[in-house]
Amino acid sequence: KQEVTQIPAALSVPEGENLVLNCSFTDSAIYNLQWFRQDPGKGLTSLLLIQSSQREQTSGRLNASLDKSSGRSTLYIAASQPGDSATYLCAVNSNYQLIWGAGTKLIIKP
Amino acid sequence: EAGVTQFPSHSVIEKGQTVTLRCDPISGHDNLYWYRRVMGKEIKFLLHFVKESKQDESGMPNNRFLAERTGGTYSTLKVQPAELEDSGVYFCASSQDLSYEQYFGPGTRLTVT
Repeated sequence: KQEVTQIPAALSVPEGENLVLNCSFTDSAIYNLQWFRQDPGKGLTSLLLIQSSQREQTSGRLNASLDKSSGRSTLYIAASQPGDSATYLCAVNSNYQLIWGAGTKLIIKP
Repeated sequence: EAGVTQFPSHSVIEKGQTVTLRCDPISGHDNLYWYRRVMGKEIKFLLHFVKESKQDESGMPNNRFLAERTGGTYSTLKVQPAELEDSGVYFCASSQDLSYEQYFGPGTRLTVT
């Protein structure tokens, strides 16, 4: 049974810092992995999708990596801004359904 | 191109009542998924349609939940009768193909009192 874990559960850093969010999964047989952000009371915004054959994806200040063999993905945020404050969720596509982590609540202090 | 839409955005009902949630996927997306997040828990998969057929309903919690996708377009999720533990946010997503990105709607917040 696929399980997804996100560490840390919460993170508070000063504006301008680079940071890394971690996601681990127990079964390496995945189709892809998606990173989302969720703002309070809002829906899910897809940030990056990494297919199982890929090692990383980049979008602006965001870079996501995937190491399927070790069951890990990281989301790197460069030069963090207060607008990056949100909950970041990792979801693994396993048997065509997404299995979700509990999320990392990120606070960027001005 | 319009994204995934869901209606209503918020529903407050009493225990024992019936509620129907609606999802309109992105046009041309054969795959439609329902997920939900109950308070304090991770988002969980409910079911997956391919066109009008239920491909996987392993996440449906019990027989009080009924999902349909008539004609392979929009989908409805009916909860009858609603219980307190059904409160949460119900998300719908669609994708063009099984291993492609899933696009999410804004969710329906269901409150059962």
